[in-house]
Amino acid sequence: AQSVAQPEDQVNVAEGNPLTVKCTYSVSGNPYLFWYVQYPNRGLQFLLKYITGDNLVKGSYGFEAEFNKSQTSFHLKKPSALVSDSALYFCAAPISGNTPLVFGKGTRLSVIA
Amino acid sequence: GAGVSQTPSNKVTEKGKYVELRCDPISGHTALYWYRQSLGQGPEFLIYFQGTGAADDSGLPNDRFFAVRPEGSVSTLKIQRTERGDSAVYLCASSFGPATNEKLFFGSGTQLSVL
Repeated sequence: AQSVAQPEDQVNVAEGNPLTVKCTYSVSGNPYLFWYVQYPNRGLQFLLKYITGDNLVKGSYGFEAEFNKSQTSFHLKKPSALVSDSALYFCAAPISGNTPLVFGKGTRLSVIA
Repeated sequence: GAGVSQTPSNKVTEKGKYVELRCDPISGHTALYWYRQSLGQGPEFLIYFQGTGAADDSGLPNDRFFAVRPEGSVSTLKIQRTERGDSAVYLCASSFGPATNEKLFFGSGTQLSVL
């Protein structure tokens, strides 16, 4: 069975600094991994996904994520944080095969001006 | 419509009552998902439809919860004999195909409060 874990409840970063939001996974087989973002008073939005291929995946709003098989991680990154990036971020993966996504508990990102 | 629409946006009910929550997916999306999100938690899977049929209902917590999608478009989540523990935001999402490969488009959710 496949699952994801987000070890940090909260991440604080100064505007302009790089940011990282962590996600680790446990998998049987090849992992499919996703990041979603939830802005205040808005629905969840897709950011990016890893299915296969390049380990560095680029997504919306300047975000990217690095798939690291040896560390079983899929951390979300951005070179320069904006205050508008403040939101709740969720890592997700299907439990196994062609099944619905299971979400991590989320990490709240606060970018301080 | 432009996105996934959920109604009502807020529902307050009393313990023991019956509620229905509606989801109108993006036109042409064959897959539809219901999730439940409690405060401070990630979305918890409830049920997945492919077309009119429930392809996976393993996330429904008990037999008080039921969902339908009779024409392969709009879906209704039905909760009988509501309990205070059912209070949460109920999210609906749709996609062109299975979420394994396709991104999900989420609605804004229905905030259910059971008093």
